[in-house]
Amino acid sequence: AQSVTQLGSHVSVSEGALVLLRCNYSSSVPPYLFWYVQYPNQGLQLLLKYTSAATLVKGINGFEAEFKKSETSFHLTKPSAHMSDAAEYFCAVRPGGGNKLTFGTGTQLKVEL
Amino acid sequence: DVKVTQSSRYLVKRTGEKVFLECVQDMDHENMFWYRQDPGLGLRLIYFSYDVKMKEKGDIPEGYSVSREKKERFSLILESASTNQTSMYLCASSLVAPVSTDTQYFGPGTRLTVL
Repeated sequence: AQSVTQLGSHVSVSEGALVLLRCNYSSSVPPYLFWYVQYPNQGLQLLLKYTSAATLVKGINGFEAEFKKSETSFHLTKPSAHMSDAAEYFCAVRPGGGNKLTFGTGTQLKVEL
Repeated sequence: DVKVTQSSRYLVKRTGEKVFLECVQDMDHENMFWYRQDPGLGLRLIYFSYDVKMKEKGDIPEGYSVSREKKERFSLILESASTNQTSMYLCASSLVAPVSTDTQYFGPGTRLTVL
């Protein structure tokens, strides 16, 4: 069975600072990994996904994530936070060949002036 | 753009009522999913469907059923609503077969309150 752990249910950064949201996964087979964002009162929107091609994945709104097999991690980063990045972020894993996404518990990002 | 719509943004029902949550997608996707979202628990899969009239249980199917009579529509049914089913319900759809890297597209959610 696969699982996802997101460290930190709440993260607060200053505008312009680095954003780092952590995600560790567990999967018995090579995984596909996803980051989704949820803005207030909206559904989830895909930020980026890793599908066994390049280990550094670039997504929308300046976000990127690096797949590190040795660390079983897929952390999300953005060099400079913007107020509009305030949202909840979810990491998700799907085993290669599987059909179900397993989500982490989410990280609420707060961006302060 | 893929569009996934849900019939209601907010719904208030009484304990014991039968509740229908409707989801429609406009991109001819084979797969459709129902999740519930609760604070601190993330999203949990209730049911999914990979074709018309086909369904599979997710991680928390108890107390729920689903119906998929047409490809574009996937309904979640609470046969007898209970207070512990108060939650945000999210519908999603994705293209192609289950074995794929394809993206799931989400609707805006229905916040259900059971009194």
